[in-house]
Amino acid sequence: EVQLVESGGGLVQPGGSLRLSCAASGFTFSSYSMNWVRQAPGKGLEWVSYISSSSSTIYYADSVKGRFTISRDNAKNSLYLQMNSLRAEDTAVYYCARLERGGFDYWGQGTLVTVSS
Amino acid sequence: DIQMTQSPSSLSASVGDRVTITCQASQDISNYLNWYQQKPGKAPKLLIYDASNLETGVPSRFSGSGSGTDFTFTISSLQPEDIATYYCQQYDNLPYSFGQGTKLEIK
Repeated sequence: EVQLVESGGGLVQPGGSLRLSCAASGFTFSSYSMNWVRQAPGKGLEWVSYISSSSSTIYYADSVKGRFTISRDNAKNSLYLQMNSLRAEDTAVYYCARLERGGFDYWGQGTLVTVSS
Repeated sequence: DIQMTQSPSSLSASVGDRVTITCQASQDISNYLNWYQQKPGKAPKLLIYDASNLETGVPSRFSGSGSGTDFTFTISSLQPEDIATYYCQQYDNLPYSFGQGTKLEIK
């Protein structure tokens, strides 16, 4: 069974940092591109970042470029999102999602990041 | 960047009704369009990929059509468990983008 489990969310002050993790199991993690997608409270879905299976290709949404860094460790079946210079508008549930045929076919349960003083 | 415009933003329908949601892309995206269902407090679930292909295990009352810039998502006979918010998503170009969502309620 495919499972994605996020962790690392919490309350952080504006300007602070947080590192999210996503532990993958039930599939060959190293064969799939992965993504982070977020959802602000009561709002829609926003794609945040993409990383290819080998980490050779990485993309970011303009809203997080220069502040967030996506990475992965295929030996540990884990995906990460380092978030720096956090702003109130980064408050959201962050999901890791597997990419298959251009669609996000498996999602984690999400981890809430709250940026507030 | 490609903008995705969904309509309506909310919809109230009765059990058994046929429900249709539309999604328009700001430029031609061929058939690179997916549909998701999200229930409150849960992660989204992929229902339709490549505009018209049903994801494994998804009931056949869900369907999708369209290509280019105009797409349609249909529930042929609304069931109580279909209450959710539905999103379209394009993957023709990065950044991937979602529609704003359609909240479906039971009348």
